Amino acid sequence: TQLLEQSPQFLSIQEGENLTVYCNSSSVFSSLQWYRQEPGEGPVLLVTVVTGGEVKKLKRLTFQFGDARKDSSLHITAAQPGDTGLYLCAVGNLGGSQGNLIFGKGTKLSVKP
Amino acid sequence: NAGVMQNPRHLVRRRGQEARLRCSPMKGHSHVYWYRQLPEEGLKFMVYLQKENIIDESGMPKERFSAEFPKEGPSILRIQQVVRGDSAAYFCASSRQGPGANVLTFGAGSRLTVL
Repeated sequence: TQLLEQSPQFLSIQEGENLTVYCNSSSVFSSLQWYRQEPGEGPVLLVTVVTGGEVKKLKRLTFQFGDARKDSSLHITAAQPGDTGLYLCAVGNLGGSQGNLIFGKGTKLSVKP
Repeated sequence: NAGVMQNPRHLVRRRGQEARLRCSPMKGHSHVYWYRQLPEEGLKFMVYLQKENIIDESGMPKERFSAEFPKEGPSILRIQQVVRGDSAAYFCASSRQGPGANVLTFGAGSRLTVL
């Protein structure tokens, strides 16, 4: 069974702090996606990582895919209140159709000014 | 360049009534997906449709739920005889055909409350 474990579940920090959130599994994936979901809205795709060990940067966000392609991390530098939201990781459901994604439960981030 | 449009954004139904949720995919997208987000749970895949075809309904509850994507008009997720446990946010997503088909664009969701 594919399961994505995200940690921490909740994170509350002050503006300017750095943070890292994690997405772990015992399964190997061909790719992994990170989304951000703001209250009352749908998830928005941030990045797709494909290669083991890959690092992608999106402004103050750094995404890393584990060497074994079983886990991923998202690091935010100098967090801002606009970073507040639910961060979700997702992978394709093995044996499922395209678009049949499995999501983690997410990390709920709150950045206080 | 409108994104994925869902309506209604909020819907209140009493137990036993029907709920119909509509989704218009992004321009140029021919694949539609429905997901459900229950309180305290992650997003769960329900169904994948192309025009006039259900491709994968492995996540759909066996009873009371149905989905369609007609040749003309939006995709519809229909829930008959709603129960309190159906209260959730229902998200529609769309994607292109071919490479990048796993790149989903989500709508803002329809929030169903069953009284």
